[in-house]
Amino acid sequence: DTGVSQNPRHKITKRGQNVTFRCDPISEHNRLYWYRQTLGQGPEFLTYFQNEAQLEKSRLLSDRFSAERPKGSFSTLEIQRTEQGDSAMYLCASSSAGGGSDTQYFGPGTRLTVL
Amino acid sequence: AQSVTQLGSHVSVSEGALVLLRCNYSSSVPPYLFWYVQYPNQGLQLLLKYTSAATLVKGINGFEAEFKKSETSFHLTKPSAHMSDAAEYFCAVGDTGRRALTFGSGTRLQVQP
Repeated sequence: DTGVSQNPRHKITKRGQNVTFRCDPISEHNRLYWYRQTLGQGPEFLTYFQNEAQLEKSRLLSDRFSAERPKGSFSTLEIQRTEQGDSAMYLCASSSAGGGSDTQYFGPGTRLTVL
Repeated sequence: AQSVTQLGSHVSVSEGALVLLRCNYSSSVPPYLFWYVQYPNQGLQLLLKYTSAATLVKGINGFEAEFKKSETSFHLTKPSAHMSDAAEYFCAVGDTGRRALTFGSGTRLQVQP
C-alpha cells in the first residue's frame, strides 16, 4: 500500500509566475484534501474533494488558487500570479469514506518558495 | 468554529523521561481528536485518534492520549522518551459534518541525551 505522493517536493519560483502541484492519493481513497502550512504553524485547510466533486473550500483559497480532481484520482493545485506570501508547505491528504471523521493520511508535501 | 490550543511551542525532556504534550479544544461537544507527528521536511504521520470509543487511546511508538471532556483536553503522553521522538507534534480536531481538520500550532519536542 503506497502512501500519498506529491510532486514536486520543492518548487522555487519568481513572484508573478504560475505553479502547479500534483497529489496522488492512496489508491482506494475517494476523499482528498489540500492544506497549507507556514513556518511554525499547523496546517490550515484549503479545500476538499469527494471523488471529483469539490465539496468545501476555505476562505484562504483566494481566486488565484484553483484545485481540480478531474477523474476522482489525482489532484492538482494551481496558484496563479504567485506572491511571496504564498511561500509555504502545501500538504495533500486522503481518506476513505466512512462514518464520522475519517482518518486523513498525509503526503510529504510540496515546499513552495516565491522569490 | 473549532479551535485547538497547544500549550508550549517547545518542550525539552531528557531521554527516558516522561513526555507530556498538552492539547485543549474549544467545543463542548465531544469531537474527533487526533495527534500527528511531523519529522523535518516530511508530511504528517498519524499517532492516534479519538472517536469516543474509549477515553484512553493508545497509538504508535508507545504514545497514548486521554480524552477528558470536563477539561476539554486531549494530552499526549509517553512514559519514556527516546531520541527518535524528537519531532513536531500537532493536535487536531474534526467536526461532525465537516471534513476539514483544525490543527493546533504544534509543539516541538526535543530529547536531550
